[in-house]
Amino acid sequence: QVQLVQSGSEVKKPGASVKVSCKASGYTFSSFYINWVRQAPGQGLEWMGIINPSGGSTWYAQKLQGRVTMTRDTSTSTVYMELSSLTFEDTAAYYCARASQLYDPFDIWGQGTMVTVSS
Amino acid sequence: DIQMTQSPSTLSASIGDRVTITCRASQSISNWLAWYQQKPGKAPKLLIYKASNLESGVPSRFSGSGSGTEFTLTISSLQPDDFATYYCQQFNDYSRTFGQGTKVEIK
Repeated sequence: QVQLVQSGSEVKKPGASVKVSCKASGYTFSSFYINWVRQAPGQGLEWMGIINPSGGSTWYAQKLQGRVTMTRDTSTSTVYMELSSLTFEDTAAYYCARASQLYDPFDIWGQGTMVTVSS
Repeated sequence: DIQMTQSPSTLSASIGDRVTITCRASQSISNWLAWYQQKPGKAPKLLIYKASNLESGVPSRFSGSGSGTEFTLTISSLQPDDFATYYCQQFNDYSRTFGQGTKVEIK
C-alpha cells in the first residue's frame, strides 16, 4: 500500500541540527512531491517546504530559509529534512506528506517524528 | 502571506448533529482550499480538496463549499469517529497556510 514511513523521535540540544527521513513505498517515488509540515505541542500546522523528488528542486517557507534543507535519495525512495541551529521553539512533531503537483493538497502523510529540543 | 481564519475554535456537538465550520481567507484564493481531520497523536487526513471535492474513501456526510474568501466544511450527521480537530489549508500562494484549527468536542 502507499505509505510514508518516517524515522524515530529525536532529542537535540539548542544549536544542534536534526535530520529526519521519510521513506516512500507503494507508488512511483519520482512522480509525487513531498512536503514537510510541523506541529508544536498543542498548536496548529505549519508548512515548512516541498521537494520534487524527480529533479531535487526545493521551495522553503520564508520563515525557515537558511535553516532548512530538503534532499532526496532516489535509490532508496527516501526524502530527508534537515533543520539547523535548533531552538526550543523547534520542538514539534514533523510530518512528511505527499502531493501530486506543486500546489496540490497532501493526500498521504507519514506517521510523524517528534523532535524535542532540550538542554 | 495569505491568512486563514477558522471559526469557531471549539465546537461542542452531539451525535447526529449537523456541524458547520467556517474558514475565511485574507484575500481571494478561488477554490484552492483543502480540509483535513486530525485526531490526537495522529497525522492529519485529507477530507476535501479544491473546496468541494470529496477525497476517495471519505464518508459522504462530509461536504465542502465556498469560493473566493469564504468556505465551509459541513458534517451532515456527526458520528462518534468525527470528534477531532479540523484544519483548512490554502494552496493559492507559496505559503500554503493552514487555519488555526477547529476542535469538535462531545457535548
